[in-house]
Parts: sequence; C-alpha cells; structure tokens
Amino acid sequence: GAVVSQHPSWVICKSGTSVKIECRSLDFQATTMFWYRQFPKQSLMLMATSNEGSKATYEQGVEKDKFLINHASLTLSTLTVTSAHPEDSSFYICSAPPAGEGGTQYFGPGTRLLVL
Amino acid sequence: SQKIEQNSEALNIQEGKTATLTCNYTNYSPAYLQWYRQDPGRGPVFLLLIRENEKEKRKERLKVTFDTTLKQSLFHITASQPADSATYLCALYSGTYKYIFGTGTRLKVLA
Repeated sequence: GAVVSQHPSWVICKSGTSVKIECRSLDFQATTMFWYRQFPKQSLMLMATSNEGSKATYEQGVEKDKFLINHASLTLSTLTVTSAHPEDSSFYICSAPPAGEGGTQYFGPGTRLLVL
Repeated sequence: SQKIEQNSEALNIQEGKTATLTCNYTNYSPAYLQWYRQDPGRGPVFLLLIRENEKEKRKERLKVTFDTTLKQSLFHITASQPADSATYLCALYSGTYKYIFGTGTRLKVLA
C-alpha cells in the first residue's frame, strides 16, 4: 500500500513556542491531506483538510490561526501549532487518500507533541 | 447529529477463536465504511473498505459485513492470534474524502 511519513515522530517544547509537523506522501501524489488529533483512548478527531494550492478547510471549533496548515506541494503538507500550550499536547496524525483507490486513505505514523 | 458506537470495553478472546467487533451508527447513511487497526502510539493502518451496496467483504482471515438497515457493521477475525491484539477502529465516509471515526475497540488475543 501507499506510504505516508510524518516528521518528527515526537517533540517536546516549551509553552509559547511553535512546532511544525510535516506529512509526506512518499510514493503517490496527494492533492488533499487530512490532519487529525487523538487524545488517549479517544477517537481520531478531524482538525482540517489540507488542499494543495488553496487554503485549508478547518472543522468547527478548530482555530485556524492556532493550527496553521500549508500544503506546499503534491507530496507535502505541514501543520504548525503556534504558541503551543500544555492543552495542545496530543497525538497528531495526518492521512492522504491516493487517487483512484475509492475512498481508502493512508495514515502517517503520528507525531506525539508534549508541551511543557 | 451523526454518531458512531463501538464496544468501548476491551475484548479478550482465546487464541484460535473468532473475534467479532461491532460498529453501530445513527443519523447517517454512509456510502463507505472502513476498518482500521491501530497499535499504541502509531497511526491507523487500513484493513478493509466496504461499500453500501456490498453485504460482505473478505481479506485473508478478516471479514466485514455491512447492514445498512440495521446501521451496523461487524468485523470478524478468524483463527485469531496474539499478534492480532490491537485497537480496531471503524470509520464512516462523510463525503469529500472525509471519514468519521469511532472510538475503537481494544482486542486482546490470549495465548
């Protein structure tokens, strides 16, 4: 199956700093990528849809100025958590649906963020 | 509002038995339903997709059923192995490539 990578796999930062997470589709092009966050023992919550060449679409309740998304190319989307606070600590996962696979999407391995 | 329910409690079964996980949904008519496996600290891994006009889908030891009248999907793992121990998520297609995920059921296969 298709491969999606994320970097970094984990990050610890101080409160108030910004953190950038990269999501790459390694062997296919993705005009759309999705960003999720997951708290322990909870479901994946869709944060936003990243669109190559246009603005991201954010889900209700997600602050677009807090979580900046840039879909720089057909294989790269980045999520920047700006002015991070301890409540932003979570597991962030991206996914991408390869074209022509009828709704299948492939997930990255996730990024664990801990804000101190 | 749309709601997806999976057994929130862990499911423990003996090795070799068939594990059956349930996914129920309300206020919804999804065109696709997917099942994923998620190991601790990792992203979900796609297992199977079933369409609304399909009753059953199989892949090796895995079988998924989709009953749009009952609004339910069942996920079966036959001849279960300890390596099958993980959390299994169901996800319903909500349009424009978006999926809504259930909270998952943690399966533990005992040797």
